[in-house]
Amino acid sequence: NAGVTQTPKFQVLKTGQSMTLQCAQDMNHNSMYWYRQDPGMGLRLIYYSASEGTTDKGEVPNGYNVSRLNKREFSLRLESAAPSQTSVYFCASSTPRDGPQFFGPGTRLTVL
Amino acid sequence: AQSVAQPEDQVNVAEGNPLTVKCTYSVSGNPYLFWYVQYPNRGLQFLLKYITGDNLVKGSYGFEAEFNKSQTSFHLKKPSALVSDSALYFCAVRDLGGGADGLTFGKGTHLIIQP
Repeated sequence: NAGVTQTPKFQVLKTGQSMTLQCAQDMNHNSMYWYRQDPGMGLRLIYYSASEGTTDKGEVPNGYNVSRLNKREFSLRLESAAPSQTSVYFCASSTPRDGPQFFGPGTRLTVL
Repeated sequence: AQSVAQPEDQVNVAEGNPLTVKCTYSVSGNPYLFWYVQYPNRGLQFLLKYITGDNLVKGSYGFEAEFNKSQTSFHLKKPSALVSDSALYFCAVRDLGGGADGLTFGKGTHLIIQP
């Protein structure tokens, strides 16, 4: 039972490049989330998906897009990366919607 | 809007002593409260949660938390600290009254247990 998996683990981009962060969960959870973690700021919600086929903005959605591909997978896309998007990105899932969230290991992204 | 405050960036405790990591929250409705722990270069691990019921909640690894509605606090506690408890601890809240999904996290508290 892998839980929540994320790829890649590390990534370095140049300003303006694009990339997609992948997330998958095998716990049959309905809700999935993307957070970013910055030093001294805790985790901030970027986007979430309460169920397959739905997505909604969180606290810091600018510069990101998401796709809930199916119940298992929820991807985060940076269309034109900026240095301000240098961060550690965490995917999480939960069910029911108010249940504890289970987190992936994170993707450490650096934008030069 | 909901918010969480963890007033201490770092807490230092000697091994074997009791520990407390403080958290206060603000929500418009009833709170749904969590504690998570993060070890270096790892994701967050769920420790415990409060929805309703007994104000003292027991969780993983011997941790517990006390919910105090009048003080809007949810402090994390452990009777006897271990060196292995050293990590970054996050308090989080969800407003059951509505609003966006997802959790609002505090900035985190580094817990350092000294041998």
